[in-house]
Amino acid sequence: DIQMTQSPSTLSAYIGDRVTITCRASQSISDSLAWYQQKPGKAPVLLIYRASNLESGVPSRFSGSGSGTDFTLTISSLQPDDFATYYCQRYKDYPYTFGQGTNLEIK
Amino acid sequence: QLQLQGSGPGLVKPSETLSLTCTVSGGSISSSTHYWGWVRQPPGKGLEWIGHIYYTGTTYYNPSLKSRVSISVDTSKNQFSLRLSSVAAADAAIYYCARHGIYFPFDSWAPGTLVTVSS
Repeated sequence: DIQMTQSPSTLSAYIGDRVTITCRASQSISDSLAWYQQKPGKAPVLLIYRASNLESGVPSRFSGSGSGTDFTLTISSLQPDDFATYYCQRYKDYPYTFGQGTNLEIK
Repeated sequence: QLQLQGSGPGLVKPSETLSLTCTVSGGSISSSTHYWGWVRQPPGKGLEWIGHIYYTGTTYYNPSLKSRVSISVDTSKNQFSLRLSSVAAADAAIYYCARHGIYFPFDSWAPGTLVTVSS
């Protein structure tokens, strides 16, 4: 099975910072990569699909890039509402696999 | 607006079968462009895809759970269901039902149902 590895596991940053989270697939998944945001006690929310496409309603400070095995999620200027856990997910081919998550904390 | 709501017992005994149902409102489960799936999350841990079903009954399961999991659909009730047999403590988790498009990730989720495994 293809494994998805996120880094870092925890990230501390200030309001206004630009942050990047990385997701690496153990073999090529083309652009079948999604990013989700999850807040405590809530279901995940889709942010990015097909590696770089912004889901409707998601603020433009979120962006995604990459293809093949290496992907990134970037938040251009952190807002208070952005502190959460972020997951990447491989989809389209089975089994669907999530990364282990990145906890974005306020510094 | 599409809404999903999971329901079912919050407590299951070890070795018994976990059964959850997801009710879809604001849209049809018979959509030709969507699958209906289950994802779980042990407390404090990450997300695990369990499997999903198409309205015709076609299913896809995570190989790690395939021997114990069954997902079914009832189009007349706009519902789909999860059954996980022989549960153990490791199956304790928040169980989410969710929708995803064909070749598209999960774009609509239910709030989640906490299932505890204990005698």
